[in-house]
Amino acid sequence: GAVVSQHPSRVICKSGTSVKIECRSLDFQATTMFWYRQFPKKSLMLMATSNEGSKATYEQGVEKDKFLINHASLTLSTLTVTSAHPEDSSFYICSAAPGGGVRGNQPQHFGDGTRLSIL
Amino acid sequence: DAKTTQPPSMDCAEGRAANLPCNHSTISGNEYVYWYRQIHSQGPQYIIHGLKNNETNEMASLIITEDRKSSTLILPHATLRDTAVYYCIVRVGGSQGNLIFGKGTKLSVKP
Repeated sequence: GAVVSQHPSRVICKSGTSVKIECRSLDFQATTMFWYRQFPKKSLMLMATSNEGSKATYEQGVEKDKFLINHASLTLSTLTVTSAHPEDSSFYICSAAPGGGVRGNQPQHFGDGTRLSIL
Repeated sequence: DAKTTQPPSMDCAEGRAANLPCNHSTISGNEYVYWYRQIHSQGPQYIIHGLKNNETNEMASLIITEDRKSSTLILPHATLRDTAVYYCIVRVGGSQGNLIFGKGTKLSVKP
């Protein structure tokens, strides 16, 4: 089945550091990938839609200059949390579907998430 | 995408079938029912999806009522590793849109 790999799985760093998270589709191409954030005991909330070869689309309230998204190839999207602060500590998860979900009814598949802790 | 309603929590004895209900009374004709689960500190895992016919795979069965206003996810022989939050999501099949997660059902499988 479709596999989405996310790296790293856990990051602990000092306030002010920038952190890059990678999301790869291992056995399919994805023109669209999604980035979610999840706070403790809460459900997943969409942050942005990553589009291959074009600018990402951000949800209301998500700062595009804070959360930089690059989708340079059909198998890789990156999320960079710039100048991270303790309030950015969260569980970040990406998802993708073969063909962007257009082909048939391919479901979205998720990475295992990245636990980000800012000290 | 249509809204879904799920019970916040359920318990199930190990080895028994777990039946997780979902109401989606405003579902439209081109919307599919998707089920995911999230085990603590992991990304959501796809389980199964369907339009109107019942579906079965190696993980579970999906029973959709004839009027499509509700569905039930069945885990035939629940194990302790099935303890997770289960999400029922309705969306237009084949769309490129993101999934909207509700609060889901916290299933606790007990020995």
